[in-house]
Amino acid sequence: DTAVSQTPKYLVTQMGNDKSIKCEQNLGHDTMYWYKQDSKKFLKIMFSYNNKELIINETVPNRFSPKSPDKAHLNLHINSLELGDSAVYFCASSQEVPSTIYFGEGSWLTVV
Amino acid sequence: GNSVTQMEGPVTLSEEAFLTINCTYTATGYPSLFWYVQYPGEGLQLLLKATKADDKGSNKGFEATYRKETTSFHLEKGSVQVSDSAVYFCALNSGAGSYQLTFGKGTKLSVIP
Repeated sequence: DTAVSQTPKYLVTQMGNDKSIKCEQNLGHDTMYWYKQDSKKFLKIMFSYNNKELIINETVPNRFSPKSPDKAHLNLHINSLELGDSAVYFCASSQEVPSTIYFGEGSWLTVV
Repeated sequence: GNSVTQMEGPVTLSEEAFLTINCTYTATGYPSLFWYVQYPGEGLQLLLKATKADDKGSNKGFEATYRKETTSFHLEKGSVQVSDSAVYFCALNSGAGSYQLTFGKGTKLSVIP
């Protein structure tokens, strides 16, 4: 069983569209994250939720909105997609702090 | 603030060569240190970690020692294989209740037969 799974793996969409990426973890972790990896492989945290509460909200456009229906799920919704949003988005989870963070396989978003 | 600096890549080595990827950090308090690996087309996987000074993390032939005096956590492997070709990320968690990992920019390693 995949520990952190995210869908879709690949997404190609036009500018201005709204899209969502879903994430689920079956590790029983309390904390989930969204990271963005740009074309140069640089990783930057976007959001973190602990027990469904937002605890990290880095400077990202308001067009990005995370939603955590329960502590096993953290979805990312993006409105009005722009070319610069093209990147790989990684979902992740962890238990204690500090602790190992487990990453999903990534969602490759291409905005055309 | 916290930061991680790792050597610029790409690094190209022949099979069985010795590998060192340098990583230094800036953090307050007592951070935990990590190396993650990203194989082509995949997500990040934890390679090894160390949670206090002088700890040595090791896995799959890779090692890194937490050196507080030099604020470093260099990754080493004595004999690399083609299958080690990947991007390697050094990261830290500053502790003190922080949920955030701060990553270095990654070092791409290519191992040629």
